[in-house]
Amino acid sequence: EVQLVESGGGLVKPGGSLRLSCAASGFTFSSYSMNWVRQAPGKGLEWVSSISSSSSYIYYADSVKGRFTISRDNAKNSLYLQMNSLRAEDTAVYYCARAHTAAAVLDYWGQGTLVTVSS
Amino acid sequence: EIVLTQSPGTLSLSPGERATLSCRASQSVSSSYLAWYQQKPGQAPRLLIYGASSRATGIPDRFSGSGSGTDFTLTISRLEPEDFAVYYCQQYGSSQYTFGQGTKLEIK
Repeated sequence: EVQLVESGGGLVKPGGSLRLSCAASGFTFSSYSMNWVRQAPGKGLEWVSSISSSSSYIYYADSVKGRFTISRDNAKNSLYLQMNSLRAEDTAVYYCARAHTAAAVLDYWGQGTLVTVSS
Repeated sequence: EIVLTQSPGTLSLSPGERATLSCRASQSVSSSYLAWYQQKPGQAPRLLIYGASSRATGIPDRFSGSGSGTDFTLTISRLEPEDFAVYYCQQYGSSQYTFGQGTKLEIK
């Protein structure tokens, strides 16, 4: 069974940093591209970043470019999101999601971790 | 950047009725890269449809997708109580994913 479990969320002050983790199991993690998607309270879904299976290709939404860094450790079956210079508008539930190999869709999602940026 | 606009914002129907949800793109989208997700309160989104019309694993056949170019539709043929949720369309292009703003399907 595919499982994605996020951790690392919490309350942080504006300008602060946080590192999210996503532990994957139930599939060959090193064969899949992975993504972070966020959802502000009461709002819709916003794609944040993606990383290819071997970390060769990395992409970011304009809203986080230069502040967030995605990475992965295939030996540990883990995905990360380093978030710096956090702003109030970064407050959201952050989901990690697996990209389907043959279709540009996100076929499995974790339950999410809440990041709150507030003074 | 392609913008996806979903309509209606809220759809009020009764169990047993047919639901038709629309997703319109600001420019042509490859059908291969159009998907639909369902999200219930407090839960992560769940993939329903990919490639505009292919059902994901375990999705009941009352869910169907159609469309091409800039106009796509998700149809639920006969609503079950568990189908009342928020639905998002999504497209992939220029190495990024874009979501519509969502349609809330509520019980009438």
